[in-house]
Amino acid sequence: EAGVTQFPSHSVIEKGQTVTLRCDPISGHDNLYWYRRVMGKEIKFLLHFVKESKQDESGMPNNRFLAERTGGTYSTLKVQPAELEDSGVYFCASSQDPRSTRKKNIQYFGAGTRLSVL
Amino acid sequence: AQKVTQAQTEISVVEKEDVTLDCVYETRDTTYYLFWYKQPPSGELVFLIRRNSFDEQNEISGRYSWNFQKSTSSFNFTITASQVVDSAVYFCALSEAWSNTGNQFYFGTGTSLTVIP
Repeated sequence: EAGVTQFPSHSVIEKGQTVTLRCDPISGHDNLYWYRRVMGKEIKFLLHFVKESKQDESGMPNNRFLAERTGGTYSTLKVQPAELEDSGVYFCASSQDPRSTRKKNIQYFGAGTRLSVL
Repeated sequence: AQKVTQAQTEISVVEKEDVTLDCVYETRDTTYYLFWYKQPPSGELVFLIRRNSFDEQNEISGRYSWNFQKSTSSFNFTITASQVVDSAVYFCALSEAWSNTGNQFYFGTGTSLTVIP
């Protein structure tokens, strides 16, 4: 079974440009999460999808960040325009429906996208 | 508010030594989950263990063991007879337990473990 896949693995852009990160969750996982780790700090929650709906977006830093999950499969996270402080590693995670499995609340993570804004 | 503290930023040990990674958490929830993840150089976070707040039994899995103490709000992780392959960043995390739709994780800042051959 394929794990969580994220593209690209590394992106270097200039301040003011736009970048789109993509996440393919584990097949059949309804829950999809985005997190971010700024260098040396904790991994912080950004938002949570249940299928195609945003369940919780309390961690989104500002309106320069837009996340979508059309069709409830893969998700994209767009940063427009990017600022220097957006640099970090963006992780995606997915989990099964917690109501239907004993493995509820276990999130499976991808390798992240390292974003460098210059 | 939920918070996870991993006070050890970096640890170096010589191969075959035992090492304990500390994790202290804060939460007002009565039921919650605690997790440990390993991040090897390849980058992905690998799930190691989930512990329910109701279950204070310590767990052992091969060279890995976990000591959960609710009285001190700690969930420490010990690697016995460390190996070079154990070199990685280890994250402790906390989430609420009861939700119909899943919950966000609260992570610590991670502990970077280097095992020297």
